[in-house]
Amino acid sequence: DAGVTQSPTHLIKTRGQHVTLRCSPISGHKSVSWYQQVLGQGPQFIFQYYEKEERGRGNFPDRFSARQFPNYSSELNVNALLLGDSALYLCASSLAGVRTEAFFGQGTRLTVV
Amino acid sequence: AQRVTQPEKLLSVFKGAPVELKCNYSYSGSPELFWYVQYSRQRLQLLLRHISRESIKGFTADLNKGETSFHLKKPFAQEEDSAMYYCALIQTGANSKLTFGKGITLSVRP
Repeated sequence: DAGVTQSPTHLIKTRGQHVTLRCSPISGHKSVSWYQQVLGQGPQFIFQYYEKEERGRGNFPDRFSARQFPNYSSELNVNALLLGDSALYLCASSLAGVRTEAFFGQGTRLTVV
Repeated sequence: AQRVTQPEKLLSVFKGAPVELKCNYSYSGSPELFWYVQYSRQRLQLLLRHISRESIKGFTADLNKGETSFHLKKPFAQEEDSAMYYCALIQTGANSKLTFGKGITLSVRP
């Protein structure tokens, strides 16, 4: 099992652009969560999806959106990128939607210039 | 709102020394507490959770509701314990949203 896979691993974008990050959960996992980790900080919750429905949303602006597909993979979209969006974006998958162990991917390193 | 505080950024000890990584939380309900670890060039992974009451790699953590703490301890540190450690909580009855502390770097010297 490859675990949670994220793509791309690294990305450089210009301010104002749009970005799409992708995540494939562990086979059989139906829940995907997204986290933003800024240098020197712990991961901060952005979204959780379970069975293709949004189950939770963190304190992020509407420029951030996500969705989950029928195969349980997920995309995180960020519009109108700001320099402050530069971070490591982590995806985590879990079996169910509530209080089950989260398995993390390696992350996507986004740099906004 | 829930919060997790890890007051130290770095702990450096010699091999064989005891280790205690501090974690305090604020939450009005009954949260579930976790310790996650990230070794160099590896992904974030679960080390232990308070409900399982296990000892993983010699580490233990006891939830103290009176002091709202969940400190991670190991009696004899090993070089391979060097890593970044994050304390996190999930609030009762919610989704799987993890609230993390800022993390602490543990460095075990030979």
